[in-house]
Amino acid sequence: ETGVTQSPTHLIKTRGQQVTLRCSSQSGHNTVSWYQQALGQGPQFIFQYYREEENGRGNFPPRFSGLQFPNYSSELNVNALELDDSALYLCASSLPDSYEQYFGPGTRLTVT
Amino acid sequence: AQTVTQSQPEMSVQEAETVTLSCTYDTSESDYYLFWYKQPPSRQMILVIRQEAYKQQNATENRFSVNFQKAAKSFSLKISDSQLGDAAMYFCAYRQGAQKLVFGQGTRLTINP
Repeated sequence: ETGVTQSPTHLIKTRGQQVTLRCSSQSGHNTVSWYQQALGQGPQFIFQYYREEENGRGNFPPRFSGLQFPNYSSELNVNALELDDSALYLCASSLPDSYEQYFGPGTRLTVT
Repeated sequence: AQTVTQSQPEMSVQEAETVTLSCTYDTSESDYYLFWYKQPPSRQMILVIRQEAYKQQNATENRFSVNFQKAAKSFSLKISDSQLGDAAMYFCAYRQGAQKLVFGQGTRLTINP
């Protein structure tokens, strides 16, 4: 059974640019959630996708957007990057009514 | 809105001893889940233990156990016989249904050999 994978591992971008982060969910999991974890903080919920539809969103501006594909993999897109977007971005997959979310290793984004 | 508070930014313990990490939460719901996650330097969030709010019995997983006080909205984690591999950031988290996890700020646990 393949776990949750994320790419890239690290990324450096310039303020104002756009970035796409990718996540492959655990086999059979059709729900994907994205979290932002600033340095020294707990993760904060960005949004969740279930069967290719957004299924809940946290307090993040519209420049944070996502996609889920038929194979349940997912993308997180961030437009007009700001310095405060520098963080670890975590993806977690789960079955829809399961209590447990399985996390990937994260993508470290640095905005300069 | 639900909130989770971890009042101990850092804790340290001698190897083989017992340590307790504190967590309080705020919710008006009666049915929810509580979790403790471990995040080692590798960054991957690992589930340590979970508690269903409707269960009065405290959850236990090997050396890890919780003290769940629903009325007080308290959910502490006890680690017995601490091992060097237990060193990590520990996050308390709340979840209602299949929705988002709400995390606390974390407690950095150091194990002294």
